[in-house]
Amino acid sequence: AQSVTQPDIHITVSEGASLELRCNYSYGATPYLFWYVQSPGQGLQLLLKYFSGDTLVQGIKGFEAEFKRSQSSFNLRKPSVHWSDAAEYFCAVGDINTGTASKLTFGTGTRLQVTL
Amino acid sequence: KAGVTQTPRYLIKTRGQQVTLSCSPISGHRSVSWYQQTPGQGLQFLFEYFSETQRNKGNFPGRFSGRQFSNSRSEMNVSTLELGDSALYLCASSWGDRATTDTQYFGPGTRLTVL
Repeated sequence: AQSVTQPDIHITVSEGASLELRCNYSYGATPYLFWYVQSPGQGLQLLLKYFSGDTLVQGIKGFEAEFKRSQSSFNLRKPSVHWSDAAEYFCAVGDINTGTASKLTFGTGTRLQVTL
Repeated sequence: KAGVTQTPRYLIKTRGQQVTLSCSPISGHRSVSWYQQTPGQGLQFLFEYFSETQRNKGNFPGRFSGRQFSNSRSEMNVSTLELGDSALYLCASSWGDRATTDTQYFGPGTRLTVL
């Protein structure tokens, strides 16, 4: 079965500093990969997605992620963090078996705290 | 374009009762998926409906059920509520075709508390 690991439960960065959130997946073929963000009491907002092609994908709010097949990773990055980025971030993989991205397996999430 | 809407946003029930949650997808989307989010188990897939048929199912007991109407709106029902059913229930919609570029968009969720 496919799985997603986010090794960092909680990360604290200073405003203006760079950010990298780690995500590792377990799957044999090319996965469908997503990053979502969740603010307190809210639903999930899609930041970016990877299906194929260019391994560096750009998302909203200045985020980007790089797919590295050799490392089974899809890390999320941002060059300069803003206080409003404080939230919980989830990495997810689509269900390859059904051929759709409508059954997502999520990682446990990384809570980002931004200090001023 | 309106996003995914879920009603009610908050709900308090007691053990043994049943509950029905509603989800209206983005206009044109035919797939609706449901997820349960708890602090202990995280985000877990419940089931997906496409064109009024359940297309995918997660590993939840039969107390959890759903349906989809011809306008793609969906409801999920939980019968005989248990304390452990307290969670944020998220609904997501997508076009539902099997193209790899399909993407799920989430609603704000319904917070269910079981006392």
